[in-house]
Order: sequence, then C-alpha cells, then structure tokens
Amino acid sequence: DAMVIQNPRYQVTQFGKPVTLSCSQTLNHNVMYWYQQKSSQAPKLLFHYYDKDFNNEADTPDNFQSRRPNTSFCFLDIRSPGLGDAAMYLCATSRAGGPGTEAFFGQGTRLTVV
Amino acid sequence: AQKITQTQPGMFVQEKEAVTLDCTYDTSDPSYGLFWYKQPSSGEMIFLIYQGSYDQQNATEGRYSLNFQKARKSANLVISASQLGDSAMYFCAMREAYSGGGADGLTFGKGTHLIIQP
Repeated sequence: DAMVIQNPRYQVTQFGKPVTLSCSQTLNHNVMYWYQQKSSQAPKLLFHYYDKDFNNEADTPDNFQSRRPNTSFCFLDIRSPGLGDAAMYLCATSRAGGPGTEAFFGQGTRLTVV
Repeated sequence: AQKITQTQPGMFVQEKEAVTLDCTYDTSDPSYGLFWYKQPSSGEMIFLIYQGSYDQQNATEGRYSLNFQKARKSANLVISASQLGDSAMYFCAMREAYSGGGADGLTFGKGTHLIIQP
C-alpha cells in the first residue's frame, strides 16, 4: 500500500500558468519535503515543513511556494512556470530525528511546461 | 564543494556478477547518515540501505551491502549476484546531524546509471 502518494503522476502546464502539485501521506510523519529532480540530475531539496513550520532552502526561487493545511497533505505551487521548471518533483516524508531517520518517497510528479 | 560524489555516470554489468557503485562524501559533522536509493525509470525513490557514521559494522540488506570506509569518507554500495531488475539509477545520499530542527533533508549525489546485461 502506497504510503506517500503524489498526484498527478504526470502534469502538463502552459508557460506562465500557475500549477499545483499534491502530496499526501498515511504515515503521520511530521516532516514533509519537496525535491526537484531535473533530467539526469540529482534531486535537489526545495523546502520542507516540520509540522507547520516552513523551511525554505536558500537557493529556492521565489516562484516556488508550498502549503501544508494539515499533517497529511502538502502542496507545491509554482506561480509562473518557466521552461526551466520542467522536472520530476518528489515528495518525501520522515519523522523528525537524527541523521539516520529514513525518508519515504512518493512516486513523483513529472512536470512538463509547454 | 560537492558533498556527495559519485564518479561513475554509467555502468554495464553482466547478470549474476557482483557490482560496486562508488560514493565519496564530504562533511565536518561527526554525526551523519549515509543512504543508498534506487530509482527505476518510473521515478520512485526506493530505499536500499543505511549506514550511520558511528556504526562499527558495515550495513547489509539482502543482496545489498555497504562498504563503509570512514577515514576515506567512502560508502560504496555492493550488489551481489546482480539481476536484470537491478537496472536503474542509484543515488548515494547523506543527512548530517540536524542543526536543531530535526528535519534536515538529504543531499544526493548525481547518481550512477546501472544496466544489467543478460
């Protein structure tokens, strides 16, 4: 049974048109992460929520926002997608803890910008 | 400087052979965790194995083992008896001890594309 679910699996959006990606979890983890993975590159952390506290990575563009209305759901909003934002977006969850805490990933949403 | 370095962009291996995927890391934190993930073409990140910086023994999980050499800052993944289904991208990742937040994310290497040939 999937524990971290991302919807949709594939998303096509128009250049400049706002788009929202969704992530839900059944693990009751208090931390949720969003990673961006461009083609043939390593996943890059965009931001994370620790409970309701939002933590943005220093180099995450302002074009990317996130919302976490409750423990189970987290959204990634791209306000004005550019061609360079085409990527796989991975959601992950974990308990808060030390460096050995495992992260559980969803299947990802592959975003295409046309 | 890169925190995680994977020097093998791609590897071809014959089925049933053992394969070693290289990973070196850079941190000044004494407490850290090292992870290996498998990413098939479908995109999902699948956790394979974990090694903590204070662990005395190398981690093993079924056909996967981690060759941890702390002084050299390397954490190579060894897959024994490779199978066709092992063909995928493999990422080495690190989490350093949390800076008070208890929630630091993973830093990934660029990955190795492993192809198992029949």
